[in-house]
Amino acid sequence: GENVEQHPSTLSVQEGDSAVIKCTYSDSASNYFPWYKQELGKGPQLIIDIRSNVGEKKDQRIAVTLNKTAKHFSLHITETQPEDSAVYFCAASPTPTNAGKSTFGDGTTLTVKP
Amino acid sequence: ETGVTQSPTHLIKTRGQQVTLRCSSQSGHNTVSWYQQALGQGPQFIFQYYREEENGRGNFPPRFSGLQFPNYSSELNVNALELDDSALYLCASRARDREFTHGYTFGSGTRLTVV
Repeated sequence: GENVEQHPSTLSVQEGDSAVIKCTYSDSASNYFPWYKQELGKGPQLIIDIRSNVGEKKDQRIAVTLNKTAKHFSLHITETQPEDSAVYFCAASPTPTNAGKSTFGDGTTLTVKP
Repeated sequence: ETGVTQSPTHLIKTRGQQVTLRCSSQSGHNTVSWYQQALGQGPQFIFQYYREEENGRGNFPPRFSGLQFPNYSSELNVNALELDDSALYLCASRARDREFTHGYTFGSGTRLTVV
């Protein structure tokens, strides 16, 4: 089955700096890669996703890149703000339709210091 | 507002007991997945239901079972509870028949503690 590894497990940055979280996956059949943000006491919330036919996707301060050959994808957050502090999870599934059966990484706890 | 409500929010059970966790999805969400999230780990897929039928299962034993109802609510049942079952249980749902635009909506979870 699929295995997703996520690094780093914790990340601390100063407000305004950039943050990068990296994930690798093992199953070449994976083609859909969502990223989730989980705040304390809440369930994960989808913040951005990327499909295998796209190398990069941006949404305001958030961007995701995908290298399908190397089987890795990354989340980039620019101009970080204290409200970006949360646990971030990457995930992988064969298709968007199968996103409900995703394999998740173990999460990165991001702390943005004011 | 998430549109997905889970109950109860917290629960303490004794080893060997049985537990039922509930999820109420928003109208039209005919696909629901359940996940187990141990402390410090990512969610692990338990199973998915689509139109009241099981539609895929992760690496969990048969003592984990589920039901989905016509009113878009669902249940996760766990028999013969073990200490390792202590975790946050999440449900996530979407309207599968619609174009995939916003992904799955997660509930806030039920924190189960087995003692």
